[in-house]
Amino acid sequence: AQSVTQPDIHITVSEGASLELRCNYSYGATPYLFWYVQSPGQGLQLLLKYFSGDTLVQGIKGFEAEFKRSQSSFNLRKPSVHWSDAAEYFCAVAPYSSASKIIFGSGTRLSIRP
Amino acid sequence: GEEVAQTPKHLVRGEGQKAKLYCAPIKGHSYVFWYQQVLKNEFKFLISFQNENVFDETGMPKERFSAKCLPNSPCSLEIQATKLEDSAVYFCASSPRGAAADGNTIYFGEGSWLTVV
Repeated sequence: AQSVTQPDIHITVSEGASLELRCNYSYGATPYLFWYVQSPGQGLQLLLKYFSGDTLVQGIKGFEAEFKRSQSSFNLRKPSVHWSDAAEYFCAVAPYSSASKIIFGSGTRLSIRP
Repeated sequence: GEEVAQTPKHLVRGEGQKAKLYCAPIKGHSYVFWYQQVLKNEFKFLISFQNENVFDETGMPKERFSAKCLPNSPCSLEIQATKLEDSAVYFCASSPRGAAADGNTIYFGEGSWLTVV
């Protein structure tokens, strides 16, 4: 079955420190991959997406993600986090088999230590 | 508009009452999607529309739930006879040309929080 795994439920990093959020997917082919962020009481904002081409994709707010086919991973990174980055981060895939579904991971909550 | 607009932001209904949520997609977007976030980290696809036509309803519960996208009106998601387990955040999303599986970016609204008491 298609699935998205975010192994870290909660991560705390210091402001200014680097960040990496892990995401692994289980799917026969390379699906379309996304990272969304959800701030408290807010909707989902798209950070970045990977469809094809360069495996390192740049997104908004200084985020980037690297697609690694051999590891079925799509980890999100940021060189230096800001207090405003505290939020819930969701990795998601859009499998070819379903026209409308986006399958979300369980999310990683990011806290920022002053 | 430039964003997906969902109303109301919060809705409280007694068990058995009807709930109706609205969504105005981004102007020019012909696809609309509804998702239900029951637990904080669990999103369930409900239904999608291409203009006023149902595109994919494989996630829609068979009973009590219905949705419409009529011309020149906001799309709507209606729950008849709400139950406690319907308490969730309902997200609407839109895209200009189609589903994410076809390489399209899906833009989400801020969600409508339904609480059934």
